[in-house]
Amino acid sequence: QKEVEQDPGPLSVPEGAIVSLNCTYSNSAFQYFMWYRQYSRKGPELLMYTYSSGNKEDGRFTAQVDKSSKYISLFIRDSQPSDSATYLCAMIAGGKLIFGQGTELSVKP
Amino acid sequence: SAVISQKPSRDICQRGTSLTIQCQVDSQVTMMFWYRQQPGQSLTLIATANQGSEATYESGFVIDKFPISRPNLTFSTLTVSNMSPEDSSIYLCSVEGVKSKAGGVYEQYFGPGTRLTVT
Repeated sequence: QKEVEQDPGPLSVPEGAIVSLNCTYSNSAFQYFMWYRQYSRKGPELLMYTYSSGNKEDGRFTAQVDKSSKYISLFIRDSQPSDSATYLCAMIAGGKLIFGQGTELSVKP
Repeated sequence: SAVISQKPSRDICQRGTSLTIQCQVDSQVTMMFWYRQQPGQSLTLIATANQGSEATYESGFVIDKFPISRPNLTFSTLTVSNMSPEDSSIYLCSVEGVKSKAGGVYEQYFGPGTRLTVT
């Protein structure tokens, strides 16, 4: 079983839709939870990070962590074509980043 | 933030040959990381390279297959040796950023990657 599971998609939504991206994990030692965004032929860039259970909002993006269920989510409101990218969840344990597979998102105009 | 460049951006190589990937950072950094991103797979850490010391390899990766150099604080190379089609992947260089406001979280900055195809 992988430490971090993420549905690779692809996920296609119309512009303006609410997008929900999710990851599950098995290691209770994970402390920090991150979301990276990777555009085609680019390296990943950090989008958001959280530490505790609960929600964290940044503009159209909301990161949610439920440590009891070992489940994290990223919500994108009013999705735009420019949000089309691969979204990778990542977690830190022992100082190392462990990534999910990434979910490919396409937002159609 | 750090600006990272990688060379080459892509290459097609024959099996049995070796390819050296270069990573250049626009500022001095202590730790540099090399990742592999295979199609449909997670971004996987190959090794951590500190200047002036031997690279530390993750489970499943060995120095003979992926030798790494770190001659100074802004540059590193990763060599993929004796390549086979299974080595076809994107290889990414990464560095650690400044500590976040939350404390204890080091953002990692990634290069654009080197897309390697082995035939």
